[in-house]
Amino acid sequence: EIVLTQSPATLSLSPGERATLSCRASQSVSSYLAWYQQKPGQAPRLLIYDASNRATGIPARFSGSGSGTDFTLTISSLEPEDFAVYYCQQRSNWLFTFGPGTKVDIK
Amino acid sequence: QVTLKESGPVLVKPTETLTLTCTVSGFSLSNARMGVSWIRQPPGKALEWLAHIFSNDEKSYSTSLKSRLTISKDTSKSQVVLTMTNMDPVDTATYYCARIKGDYGDYSLWGQGTLVTVSS
Repeated sequence: EIVLTQSPATLSLSPGERATLSCRASQSVSSYLAWYQQKPGQAPRLLIYDASNRATGIPARFSGSGSGTDFTLTISSLEPEDFAVYYCQQRSNWLFTFGPGTKVDIK
Repeated sequence: QVTLKESGPVLVKPTETLTLTCTVSGFSLSNARMGVSWIRQPPGKALEWLAHIFSNDEKSYSTSLKSRLTISKDTSKSQVVLTMTNMDPVDTATYYCARIKGDYGDYSLWGQGTLVTVSS
């Protein structure tokens, strides 16, 4: 089973700042890596698929990069609605795992 | 409108079997390259993938929970069913169903989730 590790666990930033979130896989997942945003009481929302493709309706301030084992989600300038928990997810051989999440909170 | 909706018991007792139903609308479970997973989230904790069923009826399961899970679908009813045996209080969680469309393996569509509490 592929294990995903996310860092940092918590990121305290101010609106307008840049957020850089990391996801590392225990073995290569090629580019089969997605990112989700989750707010309290809501289902997760897909942000990025195939490591670097923005999902429909996702603002351009969200970008993803990486391949193999190391991936990054970047939020170029935090908006108030971006403070949430972010999860990465992989689908190697159609067995899926999620990372433990990174909470982005207001500094 | 394309949606998924989970249904099932709110409360189950320890050792009982949980049966959850995901009813989909706006698409067919037999569409090629389409699949549905069950994912859960204990209160305040991370997401955990449980099981997946493909359009061709192939299935995959979480390695750690495989012995307790069964996923199936009824295409005519547009439903995906998950059973989990021998429920324990640690299985208390919000259970989501979510759709995969295509080969990238991302969940572009989620149900609202249903909270299941395991308690005597």
